[in-house]
Formats: sequence, C-alpha cells, structure tokens
Amino acid sequence: QVQLQESGPGLVKPSDTLSLTCTVSGASVRSETYHWTWIRQPPGKTLEFIGYMSYTGSAGYNPSLKSRVALSVDTSKSQFSLKLTSVTAADTAVYYCARHYGDGHYFDYWGQGALVTVSS
Amino acid sequence: QTVVTQEPSFSVSPGGTVTLTCGLTSGSVSSNSYPSWYQLTPGQAPRPLIYMTNTRSSGVPDRFSGSIFGNKAALTITGAQADDECDYYCVLYMGNGNWVFGGGTKLTVL
Repeated sequence: QVQLQESGPGLVKPSDTLSLTCTVSGASVRSETYHWTWIRQPPGKTLEFIGYMSYTGSAGYNPSLKSRVALSVDTSKSQFSLKLTSVTAADTAVYYCARHYGDGHYFDYWGQGALVTVSS
Repeated sequence: QTVVTQEPSFSVSPGGTVTLTCGLTSGSVSSNSYPSWYQLTPGQAPRPLIYMTNTRSSGVPDRFSGSIFGNKAALTITGAQADDECDYYCVLYMGNGNWVFGGGTKLTVL
C-alpha cells in the first residue's frame, strides 16, 4: 500500500521560506516512472500544481511559481521536499504531496494534505 | 493565459446520470492533454477516478466513465449515489512539465 505523508511547520511568517517534506512508504522513490509532486489548494480556491521532480532531477514547474520553488528528492530517506521562498498570505493553503505516474500521466497517490498558514 | 474550465456546481438525483465537463478558454481538449479526474472530500486524500481520458483508476466502479465530449473532457457518473456528493476536479497537461487544474465542480446529490 503506497502512502504519502506531509510534514512541516503549520505557520510561516511573511517573507520567510516555507519548507515541507513528504515521506513515502510502500513504494520506491528511485524510479524514473514517477515524479514526486507538490500541489496546493488555497482556502476557497482550486487546486494548483506547484511542481514535480524525479529522483534523477527531471522536473516540471508551474511557471508562475518556478522562481520561488526548490524541489528535492532524498532516496536514502524515501522523502521529497518543497521549499517556497518569500511567502505571503497568498501562499496560505493546504499543501498536498502526490505521486505522478508517468505511464498513466496522472497523480495516482496523494497525501492527506497539510495546512500551512502564512501570518506574522 | 489558458484557463481550465469546469461547471462550478451541478445537481443530480439519486440514481440519475450526470456529465461534468473540463474545457479550455482557448482551444480544445484532446487526449494529448492527458485529462484526469479526482474526487475531493474534506479531510481525505484526493482520490483519482479517471486518467488518460477514459481509464478508470484502481478500485473505481464502472459507474464512473471518462470521454472527450465535443472539445472538452467529460466525466459521467451513472446511478448517482449519496456518497458521490463532493468536489470533482480535472487536470490537463499544458506541456513543458506543467499541469493545470480546473476550477472544480461541486456535485450535489438530491
């Protein structure tokens, strides 16, 4: 059973860096078939793709966020991470980690989501 | 900037059939956009329903089906049940490693 679990601070100050980690169990992150993905949903708004990365570093990004996003995959810990710099209140959202299955071109497993609030 | 469009809300009677659509403000949706559909229920992980236009994800009942309907992707639910009441999102591939979600459809079963 593949499971993904987000972790990280639930409160971040404006202009700081938001950092989240997703721990993967039941599957190996060492496969080019998968891209490890971050998606968010601000309150009352739709889902927004942030970006994804494979363990080799192959990546894709939302152009509107790319300049503030850093993604990484740690195969030794079976984790992948998101860093979003210079956050504002507009970055307040539920952040989901997910697995993108390349052969099916879809997000086949998701975490439960983690609410991150940007506030002083 | 191209926006992915969905009906904001839809209502269906129990046992009825409903078709939700996923379009583009500019252009047509095709299989090359790899449309997929997801259920979002508060407090739960999003559940994939359909991928690559019309392939059901593991464990999804055949009451859910996907297609291209005109110039849009479509999700059809037949024999609607009370627990189908939730939000439905489509997502399309825009190229260059970028994916864009639709605005979501809130489905009411009553």
